[in-house]
Amino acid sequence: GENVEQHPSTLSVQEGDSAVIKCTYSDSASNYFPWYKQELGKRPQLIIDIRSNVGEKKDQRIAVTLNKTAKHFSLHITETQPEDSAVYFCAARSQAAGNKLTFGGGTRVLVKP
Amino acid sequence: EAGVAQSPRYKIIEKRQSVAFWCNPISGHATLYWYQQILGQGPKLLIQFQNNGVVDDSQLPKDRFSAERLKGVDSTLKIQPAKLEDSAVYLCATRGGLNNEQFFGPGTRLTVL
Repeated sequence: GENVEQHPSTLSVQEGDSAVIKCTYSDSASNYFPWYKQELGKRPQLIIDIRSNVGEKKDQRIAVTLNKTAKHFSLHITETQPEDSAVYFCAARSQAAGNKLTFGGGTRVLVKP
Repeated sequence: EAGVAQSPRYKIIEKRQSVAFWCNPISGHATLYWYQQILGQGPKLLIQFQNNGVVDDSQLPKDRFSAERLKGVDSTLKIQPAKLEDSAVYLCATRGGLNNEQFFGPGTRLTVL
């Protein structure tokens, strides 16, 4: 089955700096890659996603890149703000695997004011 | 658009007791998932339904966990009997709509003493 690895597990950045989280996946049939943000005690919220037919997608201060050949994708947050502090999860979905999402282990991001 | 609803939000039980969780999906979403999220980890899929049929329950501990979605709308997840290691947040998620995105409910935090 699909295996998703996520790094780093924790990330501390200064407010205004950029944050980058990287994920790798194992199933070459995976074609949808969402990113979720989970604040303490709350549900995971979808913040951005990318499909395998594009290499990059941007939404204001967040962007995601996908390298299908290398089977990795990354989340980039620019001009970080304290409210970006949360746990971020990447995931991969494959139609061949019944369209189920496999999640990475999460990255705890702390933005220091 | 109303989100995924779950109840109860919190539950404390003693080991060997039984517990049930309820999920009401976003209207029209045919696919429903139950995840277990242990503190500090990513969500782990327990079971996936498509309408009222089970698509994937390969990671459901069937000796103690059961789930149903009899009419293809609401779903219940039951644990009987509970063990200490079942302490976790149980997240329901549904998928559908124009972009086929997956949305999570607020979760039920289970503590087994």
